[in-house]
Amino acid sequence: AQTVTQSQPEMSVQEAETVTLSCTYDTSESDYYLFWYKQPPSRQMILVIRQEAYKQQNATENRFSVNFQKAAKSFSLKISDSQLGDAAMYFCAYRSAGGTGNQFYFGTGTSLTVIP
Amino acid sequence: GAVVSQHPSWVICKSGTSVKIECRSLDFQATTMFWYRQFPKQSLMLMATSNEGSKATYEQGVEKDKFLINHASLTLSTLTVTSAHPEDSSFYICSARLAGGEKQFFGPGTRLTVL
Repeated sequence: AQTVTQSQPEMSVQEAETVTLSCTYDTSESDYYLFWYKQPPSRQMILVIRQEAYKQQNATENRFSVNFQKAAKSFSLKISDSQLGDAAMYFCAYRSAGGTGNQFYFGTGTSLTVIP
Repeated sequence: GAVVSQHPSWVICKSGTSVKIECRSLDFQATTMFWYRQFPKQSLMLMATSNEGSKATYEQGVEKDKFLINHASLTLSTLTVTSAHPEDSSFYICSARLAGGEKQFFGPGTRLTVL
């Protein structure tokens, strides 16, 4: 089974600064997707960024970017110019590509605090 | 587009009663829906995979007779917690997979409190 590990239970960042959240995963599959989800106090899961494993180029979405190292099975999230609204729980997730199932496997989450 | 709703958003019930939670894809058809459970300050754990028109597939350790799942149409899956107990109190989240595609979308979740 696939496993996703987030080794940072809590992180904090000063407003306007940059922070990097770590994620590693384990899989024997060659085709898959990786995600970062944000879960604010409302508990709604919000997709932050997504990466297809076959793409070498790191995904970016405005202030959010990833460092995808396929060989090392590492998938970190960088948040630039941090804003107060970025404070939330962040989950790294893995999902197989293809097939009919494809549930998400989530890490344990990183709670991000943004300091004004 | 791609909106998933859950109803109710919050429910409180007495121990021993049954509670039904609905997951609807509002603007797309979903052949597969997934039910997750999230305990406070923990991650989401898959409970079961629900395919339209067939029996759900449950993860190890999840009692299928306690957590009844019905996926009767391409836009609706229901999770019924039967004979609920306080330890069933949790946050239940569904996700719906776009029919014929690979994208999935999460519902807003349902908070269940069993007294």
